[in-house]
Amino acid sequence: SQQGEEDPQALSIQEGENATMNCSYKTSINNLQWYRQNSGRGLVHLILIRSNEREKHSGRLRVTLDTSKKSSSLLITASRAADTASYFCAQGAGANNLFFGTGTRLTVIP
Amino acid sequence: GAVVSQHPSRVICKSGTSVKIECRSLDFQATTMFWYRQFPKKSLMLMATSNEGSKATYEQGVEKDKFLINHASLTLSTLTVTSAHPEDSSFYICSAREASGRSYEQYFGPGTRLTVT
Repeated sequence: SQQGEEDPQALSIQEGENATMNCSYKTSINNLQWYRQNSGRGLVHLILIRSNEREKHSGRLRVTLDTSKKSSSLLITASRAADTASYFCAQGAGANNLFFGTGTRLTVIP
Repeated sequence: GAVVSQHPSRVICKSGTSVKIECRSLDFQATTMFWYRQFPKKSLMLMATSNEGSKATYEQGVEKDKFLINHASLTLSTLTVTSAHPEDSSFYICSAREASGRSYEQYFGPGTRLTVT
């Protein structure tokens, strides 16, 4: 299976705190992407980091990538209740396919 | 921009019947569409990659005769679950990649919840 793993599986924090989620993957990648999914809904693309990049920012999101360790992290700063969702990393191994990690369920308590 | 729709959003069918799910890219052309299924509180599992005008490529363990995929145009792919059984109940999500895509980003539909009774 090419499915990656994320930890923690579930994370509960207070509003205003930072949330960090980690993703480990198994194969070589062209890129790694992070998605968000609200319960029972489709996925929303958050950020893409290419294999030759080490860090990327987008608003309150910060993503790092360590290809030597085959790992990535997503940091959400100054969390809000509306950030409550499941977050998935996805390995982009080629031009097309994405293989999703197991996901982290984030709960932000107001 | 880059909106993907799915229809229906929810469907309940009886065991043994077939169900068709549509995936449309509304404001862009998609040479490639992907079909995933997701069990409750689990991750997305890629089922197949659908290329416009050619046969779909199925992932290992996915029965192509059970999950029929047709990608007849650059804006429409359909997934038909044939002779559905209760174990086929799941959340099915499609995604699409732009034909002129300069990135690897996929745009996801809102999903279809299938319940087989």
